[in-house]
Amino acid sequence: DTGVSQDPRHKITKRGQNVTFRCDPISEHNRLYWYRQTLGQGPEFLTYFQNEAQLEKSRLLSDRFSAERPKGSFSTLEIQRTEQGDSAMYLCAGAGNLRETQYFGPGTRLLVL
Amino acid sequence: KQEVTQIPAALSVPEGENLVLNCSFTDSAIYNLQWFRQDPGKGLTSLLLIQSSQREQTSGRLNASLDKSSGRSTLYIAASQPGDSATYLCAPNPDSSYKLIFGSGTRLLVRP
Repeated sequence: DTGVSQDPRHKITKRGQNVTFRCDPISEHNRLYWYRQTLGQGPEFLTYFQNEAQLEKSRLLSDRFSAERPKGSFSTLEIQRTEQGDSAMYLCAGAGNLRETQYFGPGTRLLVL
Repeated sequence: KQEVTQIPAALSVPEGENLVLNCSFTDSAIYNLQWFRQDPGKGLTSLLLIQSSQREQTSGRLNASLDKSSGRSTLYIAASQPGDSATYLCAPNPDSSYKLIFGSGTRLLVRP
């Protein structure tokens, strides 16, 4: 158990609906990362925060995606107007200040019908 | 752009065999490299982190090596067990960013 939790674990939604996922790292994790993983592929980087500041975003993160970490603790990832191509596992990871191990949560599996 | 390739894509071995998983990356400007395992439908579990200045890192039956200049890393698993069955992912961390770049993984099945 890495101590990183994600909620919900599974989400089924209809195309066009908005969804929001939550990630809770442990308190020592100043850095928080979001990745997306499709079947048979490795995770792809979406964005990361240091404390409450969003420092890097992937080009994968279209304008339908937004992420926040308002108090430097938990983070949310929102997808607006979902599309079938958004179906994937969304993974969150936490890490300390140094370039050390990233600790992953169990993921949220999204299915867009 | 960093690209990561893992060979083989899938591997099936009898219990007790020693095995080597390969990872290659195109940009040698990396800070460190992590190896993870992923069980079906689950998150990632960190196995080993090897710094760019290191050649090897060991944890139990696992040994990871890194040849940064040639863009290669290997994960050696000794005396494999059925519980080792999982997908193994390597992920270099570029010098220029804090993100990880993942390969597609090697799917390992250890047969009893």
